Amino acid sequence: GAGVSQSPSNKVTEKGKDVELRCDPISGHTALYWYRQSLGQGLEFLIYFQGNSAPDKSGLPSDRFSAERTGGSVSTLTIQRTQQEDSAVYLCASRRQADNYNEQFFGPGTRLTVL
Amino acid sequence: AQSVAQPEDQVNVAEGNPLTVKCTYSVSGNPYLFWYVQYPNRGLQFLLKYITGDNLVKGSYGFEAEFNKSQTSFHLKKPSALVSDSALYFCAVRDRTGANNLFFGTGTRLTVIP
Repeated sequence: GAGVSQSPSNKVTEKGKDVELRCDPISGHTALYWYRQSLGQGLEFLIYFQGNSAPDKSGLPSDRFSAERTGGSVSTLTIQRTQQEDSAVYLCASRRQADNYNEQFFGPGTRLTVL
Repeated sequence: AQSVAQPEDQVNVAEGNPLTVKCTYSVSGNPYLFWYVQYPNRGLQFLLKYITGDNLVKGSYGFEAEFNKSQTSFHLKKPSALVSDSALYFCAVRDRTGANNLFFGTGTRLTVIP
């Protein structure tokens, strides 16, 4: 079946502009995650959605970052007034059910470059 | 607090030789442990996980990992490395108390030399 898809695959923007990154999770997966992967670093957790529960936003680095998940499926990560330090690969992952031992399935990522 | 350490940024091994990629973790209580692999310009792919039971876990592409509770380790191993195994490997941990996210290590770049 189809995996997690993300768009765009690459995004180049100018400092100060807003960007939206999209994630389509695997159908039926109730849990959705956003991570940020910076060059030479591991994955940094940003935000987590589980069903209709309030999202866990504890990883968002600043109030310029926000995310929505509409209808329990597609998610959009928005970065307002982008800064050069926002340049990274943004990865989305989904997981079946709420069981913590289920593995996450990752999308290919969106490479964001802020000039 | 949960954390994962991958002490080696880079591991080089000759093709056909056994490989080990090290991982140690810290959680409050018993962990769920995962290994993921990332090929160039690709997302992370799940390799294997430890939930409970047998400490030796077998996964995709001939990889295996051994859970060692006393040493809080979950090293990734393969008996005979292939050039195609060259990639970035991430260890991750989640505790069992309902935490929402995985905590990832910083990754180890494995290079298999022909």
